[in-house]
Amino acid sequence: GDSVTQMEGPVTLSEEAFLTINCTYTATGYPSLFWYVQYPGEGLQLLLKATKADDKGSNKGFEATYRKETTSFHLEKGSVQVSDSAVYFCALSVSNFNKFYFGSGTKLNVKP
Amino acid sequence: GAGVSQSPSNKVTEKGKDVELRCDPISGHTALYWYRQSLGQGLEFLIYFQGNSAPDKSGLPSDRFSAERTGGSVSTLTIQRTQQEDSAVYLCASSHAGTERTYEQYFGPGTRLTVT
Repeated sequence: GDSVTQMEGPVTLSEEAFLTINCTYTATGYPSLFWYVQYPGEGLQLLLKATKADDKGSNKGFEATYRKETTSFHLEKGSVQVSDSAVYFCALSVSNFNKFYFGSGTKLNVKP
Repeated sequence: GAGVSQSPSNKVTEKGKDVELRCDPISGHTALYWYRQSLGQGLEFLIYFQGNSAPDKSGLPSDRFSAERTGGSVSTLTIQRTQQEDSAVYLCASSHAGTERTYEQYFGPGTRLTVT
């Protein structure tokens, strides 16, 4: 079946460090891939997306590239800030967005 | 404009009781999703509505769970004969299907359900 696996947290980094959160997926069709973020006390919100292989999604300094050959969609940021502290969820959707599968979330703590 | 709202924000109920959770999507959003998030787990997809119809109900965990949507707007998720394993945060999301941003879900704050 379709599923998403992402690295477990929490991840603790110092400000300006490089961030990678790994995400791999299993899908029967041609999924679209997403990263959602949940800041403390707020609801989930879309961070970035990629709808086909080799697409790169980017937003707020975060990037992720849809790699079909490795079935991965790793989230990266070159220099994290304290304000990036949040829980990050990798997700995929098949069947014209009728169904979404989310990973278990990775909590990121950025220390000043 | 208003975002997705859910009520109640918290619900404590006794095992065996029925509960009803409500979701008010963003006005004009035709797609509506329900998820469940158990402690330390990811989001578990429950059901999707396009308008008032739910083409796929296979994500509902058991026949104690049901959902409906009326008027293409408000949706209710009903859990009958609640069990302790139903304790979780229930999230609702909506999106504007049929546009290039169909995939962008807007999430509500969730209902935290505790079954004692």
